[in-house]
Amino acid sequence: AQSVSQHNHHVILSEAASLELGCNYSYGGTVNLFWYVQYPGQHLQLLLKYFSGDPLVKGIKGFEAEFIKSKFSFNLRKPSVQWSDTAEYFCAARGTGTASKLTFGTGTRLQVTL
Amino acid sequence: GAGVSQTPSNKVTEKGKYVELRCDPISGHTALYWYRQSLGQGPEFLIYFQGTGAADDSGLPNDRFFAVRPEGSVSTLKIQRTERGDSAVYLCASSLNPGNEQFFGPGTRLTVL
Repeated sequence: AQSVSQHNHHVILSEAASLELGCNYSYGGTVNLFWYVQYPGQHLQLLLKYFSGDPLVKGIKGFEAEFIKSKFSFNLRKPSVQWSDTAEYFCAARGTGTASKLTFGTGTRLQVTL
Repeated sequence: GAGVSQTPSNKVTEKGKYVELRCDPISGHTALYWYRQSLGQGPEFLIYFQGTGAADDSGLPNDRFFAVRPEGSVSTLKIQRTERGDSAVYLCASSLNPGNEQFFGPGTRLTVL
């Protein structure tokens, strides 16, 4: 069965600290991978996506993610977090076949303190 | 331009009642998706429309759930004989075509008492 795992449920960091959120997927075949963010009181927004090509993808607001096929991972990183990065982060995957539905992880709540 | 909108933003109902949740996708988007997000979980796929037809309804939990998109734009998710376990945030998303980025609406928070 298709699944996405996020092992960090709640992360607390001080401003300027570096961030890495883990994401592992289990899928048969080729996948597209996504990170979505949900800021407090707002709806889900796409941070970045990987379809093919360079495994290091850059998204908005200084975020990046690296696709490591051998590890079935797509970890999210940011060198220096800001208070405004406080949000919930969801990793998602989609098979590249006919299915367009996204399978989401359970999310990681990031709290950045001043 | 306008994003995906969903109405109502909140719905409180009693166990056993019927509810309808509405989604207005971004104009021109052919694909529309419904997801359900329970507390502490990520969104879970329910159904996907390409145009007017349901291309994949494999995520609907049982036959109390039904969705329509009669004119290929607005969609309505219908839940019959609601149960307390149906309480969740129901999210709608749309994309220009099935393989493109999905844009999410704000969700409808359904509470079944």
